Amino acid sequence: KNEVEQSPQNLTAQEGEFITINCSYSVGISALHWLQQHPGGGIVSLFMLSSGKKKHGRLIATINIQEKHSSLHITASHPRDSAVYICAVRVEPGETSGSRLTFGEGTQLTVNP
Amino acid sequence: DGGITQSPKYLFRKEGQNVTLSCEQNLNHDAMYWYRQDPGQGLRLIYYSQIVNDFQKGDIAEGYSVSREKKESFPLTVTSAQKNPTAFYLCASSPPDGSGANVLTFGAGSRLTVL
Repeated sequence: KNEVEQSPQNLTAQEGEFITINCSYSVGISALHWLQQHPGGGIVSLFMLSSGKKKHGRLIATINIQEKHSSLHITASHPRDSAVYICAVRVEPGETSGSRLTFGEGTQLTVNP
Repeated sequence: DGGITQSPKYLFRKEGQNVTLSCEQNLNHDAMYWYRQDPGQGLRLIYYSQIVNDFQKGDIAEGYSVSREKKESFPLTVTSAQKNPTAFYLCASSPPDGSGANVLTFGAGSRLTVL
């Protein structure tokens, strides 16, 4: 079982819809990252969370440390939001993976006009 | 503007050849990383370096080598010992752990195809 699991793997939405992507992890973490990868391959860091909630424009990220779960929400989705969204956790020192990032497989989001 | 530059963007290699992927950053970051991305899989760590002249193996280091002679540069060599080298390679950098910044910056990637 992967230490970081994302759902869904693929998501298709109509422009304007509210979108939620989920990330669950099974190890102790010091931080969680949400990343965006566009078709060209480059990756952009969207959020880094260790607790609570962060908002940037139409993007909202939340994390529940007790439940080991994070969500990324996109409000009023737009075709330019189409990308792969990746969850990555910074594992606490002492866990088997060491203090490095462990990545989920990503969620492919397609927003149709 | 500060950032990470990877080159080449696309590279074709014949079996048995070594190739070197370049990664240069002007962010003054201490830590640098090389990841491999394959379809349907999360990014996997090949090598990382927390400081100049020091680097550690990641989860899939076999068949790869790196050097860190300068803070700005962290080249990755894909050797002929790597059995399945066709993949997308991403370089990243970050400030040191504990700095409070936790900023992770990625390059645009290099796509290697073995013919």
